[in-house]
Amino acid sequence: DAGVTQSPTHLIKTRGQHVTLRCSPISGHKSVSWYQQVLGQGPQFIFQYYEKEERGRGNFPDRFSARQFPNYSSELNVNALLLGDSALYLCASTADRDYEQYFGPGTRLTVT
Amino acid sequence: EDQVTQSPEALRLQEGESSSLNCSYTVSGLRGLFWYRQDPGKGPEFLFTLYSAGEEKEKERLKATLTKKESFLHITAPKPEDSATYLCAVQVSGNTPLVFGKGTRLSVIA
Repeated sequence: DAGVTQSPTHLIKTRGQHVTLRCSPISGHKSVSWYQQVLGQGPQFIFQYYEKEERGRGNFPDRFSARQFPNYSSELNVNALLLGDSALYLCASTADRDYEQYFGPGTRLTVT
Repeated sequence: EDQVTQSPEALRLQEGESSSLNCSYTVSGLRGLFWYRQDPGKGPEFLFTLYSAGEEKEKERLKATLTKKESFLHITAPKPEDSATYLCAVQVSGNTPLVFGKGTRLSVIA
């Protein structure tokens, strides 16, 4: 079975630009969470979606937004990019809110 | 505030030299404690979930244990392919996100 997939793998953007990251969960998983991981740190929670509704939001500015589609895939959008947004963005899926989270390979975003 | 602290930050072992990684946590309540392995530039790979004090789980050379305040990841006779960053995370309740520690970077030298 395919695991969590994310696209693109790598991305280079300029300050002030907008970016959209995509995630497809494991088949049958209804919940998707997004995390940001900067070098040398553990992942930090950004959003959780379950059945297309936002179920949780971490301590990130309003420049960050997300949505989940009817097929349970998800997008993370970041506006007005800052240098500090450079990180590995991870998507995780769970069969339900109460189960283990399985992570995708991540999208490496570099902001110059 | 829920906190997870992992130690040591980095650990260098000779092949076959067993050791333990520590994860201590301060949370308002614990639904589960999770261990992940992460290779450089890749997403975390799920290893174990522990739910209650006294619980133990094993997988190959890894064994995870849980007490009321901390968890240990024991690595027995490690091999170079065990080199990775090991992340610990806690979940307070079923609808809350994972709170991660900074990880322990393990290097196993042949």
